[in-house]
Amino acid sequence: QVQLQELGPGLVKPSGTLSLTCVVSGDSIRSSNWWSWVRQSPAKGLEWIGEIHHSEYTNYNPSLKSRVTISGDKSKNQFSLKLTSVTAADTAVYYCARGYCGGGRCFGNFDSWGQGALVTVSS
Amino acid sequence: DIVMTQSPDSLAVSLGERATINCKSSQSVLDSSNNKNHLAWYQQKPGLPPKLLIYWASTRESGVPDRFSGSGSGADFTLTISSLQAEDVAVYYCQQYYGVPFTFGPGTKVDIK
Repeated sequence: QVQLQELGPGLVKPSGTLSLTCVVSGDSIRSSNWWSWVRQSPAKGLEWIGEIHHSEYTNYNPSLKSRVTISGDKSKNQFSLKLTSVTAADTAVYYCARGYCGGGRCFGNFDSWGQGALVTVSS
Repeated sequence: DIVMTQSPDSLAVSLGERATINCKSSQSVLDSSNNKNHLAWYQQKPGLPPKLLIYWASTRESGVPDRFSGSGSGADFTLTISSLQAEDVAVYYCQQYYGVPFTFGPGTKVDIK
């Protein structure tokens, strides 16, 4: 059974960079699945940030694309999120999630989620 | 972006009664290449991540009780809980995965009356 765990600082200063890592067990990030970051805040609800495939191919939410980088580390079976120039509006619970695969194709619904990491942007 | 809306914002249903949640997308999420609606439903309880209940608008995820069912096509969808149980108290979200960026509805809170 796949497990995902988000790791990273819970507090980031305004204008700084938010960095989180998702450690995956029970599955490989080299698999066919896409691996995503999703955040949740009272103001914006659930918001998809972006995804990575085979640690190489990425898609990003256009609303965040200029500030986001998602990368993968196959040797450690983990993938990471970097969000630059953060403001209070980036305060949220950040989840990593696995995209669903079926019938030989993979899609953007999420069948496994990490427990979430609360990141607060404050000085 | 495809905008997802849900109604109602919240509802309270008696134990054993039916709960119905509606979801609309700003454009069709029916994929002609596989004739499937790229629409999922999630359940989220306090302090926990969302849990996938239904995908392809009507396919239950493994282990999900059959009192949960999804229906609809194109841009109009419904999640039905046929006989509400105490453990079903949660917020329910719909999500489209037809196009990037994937987008979620604002959620519907279900409580016991």
